[in-house]
Amino acid sequence: TQLLEQSPQFLSIQEGENLTVYCNSSSVFSSLQWYRQEPGEGPVLLVTVVTGGEVKKLKRLTFQFGDARKDSSLHITAAQPGDTGLYLCAGADTGKLIFGQGTTLQVKP
Amino acid sequence: GAGVSQSPSNKVTEKGKDVELRCDPISGHTALYWYRQSLGQGLEFLIYFQGNSAPDKSGLPSDRFSAERTGESVSTLTIQRTQQEDSAVYLCASSSLNNPYEQYFGPGTRLTVT
Repeated sequence: TQLLEQSPQFLSIQEGENLTVYCNSSSVFSSLQWYRQEPGEGPVLLVTVVTGGEVKKLKRLTFQFGDARKDSSLHITAAQPGDTGLYLCAGADTGKLIFGQGTTLQVKP
Repeated sequence: GAGVSQSPSNKVTEKGKDVELRCDPISGHTALYWYRQSLGQGLEFLIYFQGNSAPDKSGLPSDRFSAERTGESVSTLTIQRTQQEDSAVYLCASSSLNNPYEQYFGPGTRLTVT
């Protein structure tokens, strides 16, 4: 069974700080997705990474896929209160997604 | 265009009753997925459909859970004889044939079993 471990599970920071969320596995994934979820809503896809070593940027968010395609990171620069939410990584596994347990981010003004 | 819709948004039921949850995928999406999410946690895979067949039902927790799909359209997830541990948010997602892992989620159904 493939597992994805996310860390930290909870992060509370001040507006303007930087942060990194990690997503690790002992298994290789053909692709990995990052989602963001707000209370009462479904997860919203942020990015898909496919190639080992790939780096993608989405405004202040930088996503990296590990060279061996077993891990990924999400870095947020100068966090804003609007970044508050649950961040989920998910790996592709024969037709379905395997999700990490999520990182709850709280950005205080 | 319209996104994934789910109904009801909230359902409170008594232990032992049956419930049906509905999902309308994005038009043209061939794949449909059901997940379950406990409070503040990641998503647990239940079942997925490609068209109206279900290649992977491995995540269904027990034989009280079943799902069906009509063609490439609506799906219903049925839970029989509900138990308190079934309380969770049930999320549905759909994806296109070309990008099966880029899944688009509905808002979920919050199920509470009392």
